[in-house]
Amino acid sequence: NAGVTQTPKFQVLKTGQSMTLQCAQDMNHNSMYWYRQDPGMGLRLIYYSASEGTTDKGEVPNGYNVSRLNKREFSLRLESAAPSQTSVYFCASSPGANVLTFGAGSRLTVL
Amino acid sequence: KQEVTQIPAALSVPEGENLVLNCSFTDSAIYNLQWFRQDPGKGLTSLLLIQSSQREQTSGRLNASLDKSSGRSTLYIAASQPGDSATYLCAVWGYGQNFVFGPGTRLSVLP
Repeated sequence: NAGVTQTPKFQVLKTGQSMTLQCAQDMNHNSMYWYRQDPGMGLRLIYYSASEGTTDKGEVPNGYNVSRLNKREFSLRLESAAPSQTSVYFCASSPGANVLTFGAGSRLTVL
Repeated sequence: KQEVTQIPAALSVPEGENLVLNCSFTDSAIYNLQWFRQDPGKGLTSLLLIQSSQREQTSGRLNASLDKSSGRSTLYIAASQPGDSATYLCAVWGYGQNFVFGPGTRLSVLP
């Protein structure tokens, strides 16, 4: 099983450019999440989807949008990237209030 | 709002030592607590999940305990090895919330 797959692994953007981070899971999990990890800040929740067709804001949603395309896929879009969005982004999935399974991460640099 | 702290922030021990990592949380109304391991530049790997009704969980050389009333969990690593070097994070799932992560403890096991 692949588990949680994120693409791309690395990306460099210029300020104002847009991009989409893709995430797919093959574990038939209902819930999917997007986190960002910054030095000294720990992991912070950006958006989550408790089930197919629903999305909700997390702790730091400003500047991001998400789409739960189907049960497998949950994408994160940056419409107009800013240097403050330089971070490592992690996608995770869970069958519910249970074990979180993470992807390998996507390292984004905004110049 | 749930807050999770971890002490110490960093720890360096010689190979073979037994060690304890600490996790504290402010709101005892939790479903479960999960310990993760993160290697540099990698994603998070789940180590142990303790449900709120449980006191401890064991996996190999790892033992995690949970004391909800005092808002504490400990991760005990027996006979540490250089391969245990990583950052260890705890996360709690509270009622009406998603997982809230601690900042992590960076462990170095010296050969």
